[in-house]
Amino acid sequence: KAGVTQTPRYLIKTRGQQVTLSCSPISGHRSVSWYQQTPGQGLQFLFEYFSETQRNKGNFPGRFSGRQFSNSRSEMNVSTLELGDSALYLCASSPGGTSFPQRIVYEQYFGPGTRLTVT
Amino acid sequence: AQSVTQLGSHVSVSEGALVLLRCNYSSSVPPYLFWYVQYPNQGLQLLLKYTSAATLVKGINGFEAEFKKSETSFHLTKPSAHMRDAAEYFCAVRNSGGSNYKLTFGKGTLLTVNP
Repeated sequence: KAGVTQTPRYLIKTRGQQVTLSCSPISGHRSVSWYQQTPGQGLQFLFEYFSETQRNKGNFPGRFSGRQFSNSRSEMNVSTLELGDSALYLCASSPGGTSFPQRIVYEQYFGPGTRLTVT
Repeated sequence: AQSVTQLGSHVSVSEGALVLLRCNYSSSVPPYLFWYVQYPNQGLQLLLKYTSAATLVKGINGFEAEFKKSETSFHLTKPSAHMRDAAEYFCAVRNSGGSNYKLTFGKGTLLTVNP
């Protein structure tokens, strides 16, 4: 199976612009989560989508948004970029949901990330 | 609310020596705990996970971790370090309830292995 893919891998934008990052999960996975990684704040949860619905959300301003398509691919968008948005953005995919009758703890598989630099 | 504290932002060991990376968690509900490794310019790779089954968890690359509820700890160990183990390691916690997939990470520990 192919792993999680993220495009583009590197991106340079100017302050005030907007950007869209893409994530293709592992085939069959329905949950996609996004994380921001910076040297100062570490890894922080942005949001999670499952079956095209946002299921969980972190503490980020409304400039950060996302969506998920019917094929489980996900995009995240950052509008009005600020210098502090420079970070590695990681996407993680998981089968999602809950298994019955025995509950399986699904793990999350991370992509290589998109390195965003805001100048 | 849940949180993770990793003691020591940088750990340095000699090749062949014991690796011990410390992680303490705080969670209001029974947690799921994970250790991830990140190599330069790469994403995160899962080493192992604790999901309330066995308290001693074995993972990939010879790593293992022990869940100690009384100490709220989940320290990562490896008996003998290899040069290829040099990377950054992250401990993470997730609520065991429902379909919450939010991971809360520690700040990470950079492991250096000296020849």
